[in-house]
Amino acid sequence: DSGVTQTPKHLITATGQRVTLRCSPRSGDLSVYWYQQSLDQGLQFLIQYYNGEERAKGNILERFSAQQFPDLHSELNLSSLELGDSALYFCASSGGTENTEAFFGQGTRLTVV
Amino acid sequence: AQKITQTQPGMFVQEKEAVTLDCTYDTSDPSYGLFWYKQPSSGEMIFLIYQGSYDQQNATEGRYSLNFQKARKSANLVISASQLGDSAMYFCAMREPGANNLFFGTGTRLTVIP
Repeated sequence: DSGVTQTPKHLITATGQRVTLRCSPRSGDLSVYWYQQSLDQGLQFLIQYYNGEERAKGNILERFSAQQFPDLHSELNLSSLELGDSALYFCASSGGTENTEAFFGQGTRLTVV
Repeated sequence: AQKITQTQPGMFVQEKEAVTLDCTYDTSDPSYGLFWYKQPSSGEMIFLIYQGSYDQQNATEGRYSLNFQKARKSANLVISASQLGDSAMYFCAMREPGANNLFFGTGTRLTVIP
């Protein structure tokens, strides 16, 4: 058990809908990262938050947004969903220094139909 | 340019044998971190081992060791005494100073044969 909790584990929704993925980091970790893993794109970094503030942005679509709350949990919001958004979405947390390993949650498997 | 390259899409190894999974990286920073993760079929990403660019010795964690060759920019994962449970995807990743995310390779699928 990595200590990172993601909910839900599975999500099936229709095109055009909006969903929210939730992540609770390991106790004490200030950094939260979101990754998307799809068959054709591999593991893609989406966005990072550190202690409530956005720290870095990767290949995140404008239809996607995220936030980190005062209790350090994070949510990834995906809107106007398309079939191509079907993927495994990972949250990871770390202590925040550069050479600290990131621990991953079990992921949320999103299927858009 | 790819920051992390894993050239072996798939590898097979006999149970109890050792196997080496290749990883090369590209960076101009003298300070960086290298990581290996395991992703079994259940999907979770499991941290295995870490090597810092200034570490003098190769990292080891149980049956996992990292063959770090800085001049060649390679960070190969060695798994000794393979077990059936080692069958999974293995990802190499790198973090540079100032970068706030891990760059991942495309992964190697390891299959352990009984």
